[in-house]
Amino acid sequence: GAVVSQHPSRVICKSGTSVKIECRSLDFQATTMFWYRQFPKQSLMLMATSNEGSKATYEQGVEKDKFLINHASLTLSTLTVTSAHPEDSSFYICSARDWTSGELFFGEGSRLTVL
Amino acid sequence: QKEVEQNSGPLSVPEGAIASLNCTYSDRGSQSFFWYRQYSGKSPELIMFIYSNGDKEDGRFTAQLNKASQYVSLLIRDSQPSDSATYLCAVKGFGNEKLTFGTGTRLTIIP
Repeated sequence: GAVVSQHPSRVICKSGTSVKIECRSLDFQATTMFWYRQFPKQSLMLMATSNEGSKATYEQGVEKDKFLINHASLTLSTLTVTSAHPEDSSFYICSARDWTSGELFFGEGSRLTVL
Repeated sequence: QKEVEQNSGPLSVPEGAIASLNCTYSDRGSQSFFWYRQYSGKSPELIMFIYSNGDKEDGRFTAQLNKASQYVSLLIRDSQPSDSATYLCAVKGFGNEKLTFGTGTRLTIIP
């Protein structure tokens, strides 16, 4: 079946540094990818919708200059957390929509810990 | 009012019994409804989706949708310990690609 790969699965960084998370659709093309954040024992909160070749659409309250999203190809979207702070520590999950079937697939998630 | 509401649980069900998970949503224009299962530390995996009023069965799982009451449920028959997880209800509006998730219900199946 279709697979969406996220990398890295776990990352620990120092406060003030930037971290890039990749979301890759392995066997289908995804014109739209979504980035979610999930804090412990809470639900997935949509951060932004990423469309190939255009600027991402951010949800209310999400700082676009802090969470940089790039969707440069039909199989890859990246999320960069800039100047990370401990409160950015969370589980980041991407999902990708197969443009032929419309089905949505989730990545395995990336756990970010900012010290 | 939250857009998608679920009882956070925990819900404890004996092995072999029926687990019933409920979800209500506020947007009457919602078109598609999804149930995801999420194990601790993992990303969600799709269990079922439903678009039309009524019941939809898939193996041990049955999704029920009542658009008039803005209510969707998931029944798990013959519950197994491996069913212990958090179940997330998600809703998609008409012409909207975004999924809105509920807070999830933590289900524990007691052997």
